[in-house]
Amino acid sequence: DGGITQSPKYLFRKEGQNVTLSCEQNLNHDAMYWYRQDPGQGLRLIYYSQIVNDFQKGDIAEGYSVSREKKESFPLTVTSAQKNPTAFYLCASKPSGIYNEQFFGPGTRLTVL
Amino acid sequence: AQKITQTQPGMFVQEKEAVTLDCTYDTSDPSYGLFWYKQPSSGEMIFLIYQGSYDQQNATEGRYSLNFQKARKSANLVISASQLGDSAMYFCAMREGGGGATNKLIFGTGTLLAVQP
Repeated sequence: DGGITQSPKYLFRKEGQNVTLSCEQNLNHDAMYWYRQDPGQGLRLIYYSQIVNDFQKGDIAEGYSVSREKKESFPLTVTSAQKNPTAFYLCASKPSGIYNEQFFGPGTRLTVL
Repeated sequence: AQKITQTQPGMFVQEKEAVTLDCTYDTSDPSYGLFWYKQPSSGEMIFLIYQGSYDQQNATEGRYSLNFQKARKSANLVISASQLGDSAMYFCAMREGGGGATNKLIFGTGTLLAVQP
């Protein structure tokens, strides 16, 4: 089945450790996005990529890094520089052209102890 | 600056009744898109409906319709004949620019809908 997978669903890390969240899509979409969701808030854009080997910062990029070496994959690294990393992280993708909808993965809940 | 406002933190509705979830937006771009997403307790975001700023008619998708009032900058979601499975968080979002732009979405804070039997 086509879709977006994020792994793991739940992730626990100690403070000061870097952690990488996986996002894979087999929809052949060009654009991919990472969002962060905190309780009682909407989604906020961390990074996005419109094509392979290119990505741009979103509204809250500090403390995060990404790579886009393959069209299918857009991993997000939460570094120790991120002050409050505990959150729900959602990955999305979108085809190019006239389609408007972003398709979302199931999310990863990161808890930093 | 572009902004999405959802003023209803939570709402109750009786099963089989209709409910309206409010959304207002602010943008200076004449070309934009408005979206509604549903987020069940499991966390995934489910796309419901889309309205383009130049669309002449209000968007409809099954039991969902979007009451688009451009002059008032509002894009309310109407759910008809509510079902227990409609209980979820609902987010309004806006994309500035046409479909070929960066496609960044700006989200509101959401409305938690509870459907009562």
